[in-house]
Amino acid sequence: LAKTTQPISMDSYEGQEVNITCSHNNIATNDYITWYQQFPSQGPRFIIQGYKTKVTNEVASLFIPADRKSSTLSLPRVSLSDTAVYYCLVGDGAAGNKLTFGGGTRVLVKP
Amino acid sequence: GAVVSQHPSRVICKSGTSVKIECRSLDFQATTMFWYRQFPKQSLMLMATSNEGSKATYEQGVEKDKFLINHASLTLSTLTVTSAHPEDSSFYICSARAQGPTTEAFFGQGTRLTVV
Repeated sequence: LAKTTQPISMDSYEGQEVNITCSHNNIATNDYITWYQQFPSQGPRFIIQGYKTKVTNEVASLFIPADRKSSTLSLPRVSLSDTAVYYCLVGDGAAGNKLTFGGGTRVLVKP
Repeated sequence: GAVVSQHPSRVICKSGTSVKIECRSLDFQATTMFWYRQFPKQSLMLMATSNEGSKATYEQGVEKDKFLINHASLTLSTLTVTSAHPEDSSFYICSARAQGPTTEAFFGQGTRLTVV
């Protein structure tokens, strides 16, 4: 399983854009990159997933360079409610394949 | 989107007793479910992979006789913490992925277990 490395924590202010970069140097050809958000005492929640280039949905964008050895989650105009831990996961998409969590990035949004 | 439901959300039990946690996939069939444990301020740690109709696969260091997993149907997996002790107090989370091309995993709400 590809190992991921993320910053431990990041601080931001309301209305700013937050970018979290994840390194996954050993990503395999079949691996997707998925980001999850977790609030205290809740299960993780899916944010976005991609394989290459750029993916955008209603809550975030995911940028993946050509070599796929890293990815950047971009949260536009964060609010206080975006304070959470964000996890980058890399893995094969098969339903039976386990997902292993790294340390995650604790994002604190200040007023 | 697909939903995974976990019950109970919170449980307090006495040391030495057993506690069962249920994980259900509400609108899809899951041949495989995953159980995680999370201590305060730490990441999720995978405990085991629950396979429908067969034995669970445990991660290294996880006692299979301590954490009993049963995956009796395509929508239900249970984790039983046997003879619980205070050090078993933790946040337990289940996860499942539907079959097909999607690779998104859905997580339950988690169960806060406190052993006193």
